[in-house]
Amino acid sequence: DAEITQSPRHKITETGRQVTLACHQTWNHNNMFWYRQDLGHGLRLIHYSYGVHDTNKGEVSDGYSVSRSNTEDLPLTLESAASSQTSVYFCASSAGTRLSGNTIYFGEGSWLTVV
Amino acid sequence: SQQGEEDPQALSIQEGENATMNCSYKTSINNLQWYRQNSGRGLVHLILIRSNEREKHSGRLRVTLDTSKKSSSLLITASRAADTASYFCASSASTMGDMRFGAGTRLTVKP
Repeated sequence: DAEITQSPRHKITETGRQVTLACHQTWNHNNMFWYRQDLGHGLRLIHYSYGVHDTNKGEVSDGYSVSRSNTEDLPLTLESAASSQTSVYFCASSAGTRLSGNTIYFGEGSWLTVV
Repeated sequence: SQQGEEDPQALSIQEGENATMNCSYKTSINNLQWYRQNSGRGLVHLILIRSNEREKHSGRLRVTLDTSKKSSSLLITASRAADTASYFCASSASTMGDMRFGAGTRLTVKP
């Protein structure tokens, strides 16, 4: 079955270190997204991509970057981790086009703690 | 800022009762979706309603959309203990999936 996987599922890192969270989907979806989830805020969109070499900033993109070199992967990089980036990170993908909306499918989440 | 706000933040009911959750959003949308999240897990899509639709059904779920009030509701009928989860509405101004989520409603169904 097609799926979307995130790694690592849990990570503890130190302030100032660079961290990369991996996301891999096997649905061949063009659209991929990164969200963070914090208590009281629901999910907030960090970055998203509508296809290879396309990236866009979301609501809370400062301190994060993404790159899309192929259809299957959208890694999320925290350039210099800060305690405020302690959160649960969710990757998602969808097959939506500009003509037809579609649902998005979520990974199981990556729990990141910055100490 | 968040696009949607759910109401109530928490809801506790007995098994067999109906659960109604409401969602408001701020800007014009193309579609609105409801998701469910079990504790410690990812979100699972429940239902999508487009801006030109007013009501949709899926099993025990009924979703309504009022674009004039910028609001939506999710009704779960004949609730079960297994329905205990957080429920999120998410809206998008496009068809591409860049959704904006509310903070969610935590539903507890007591057996």
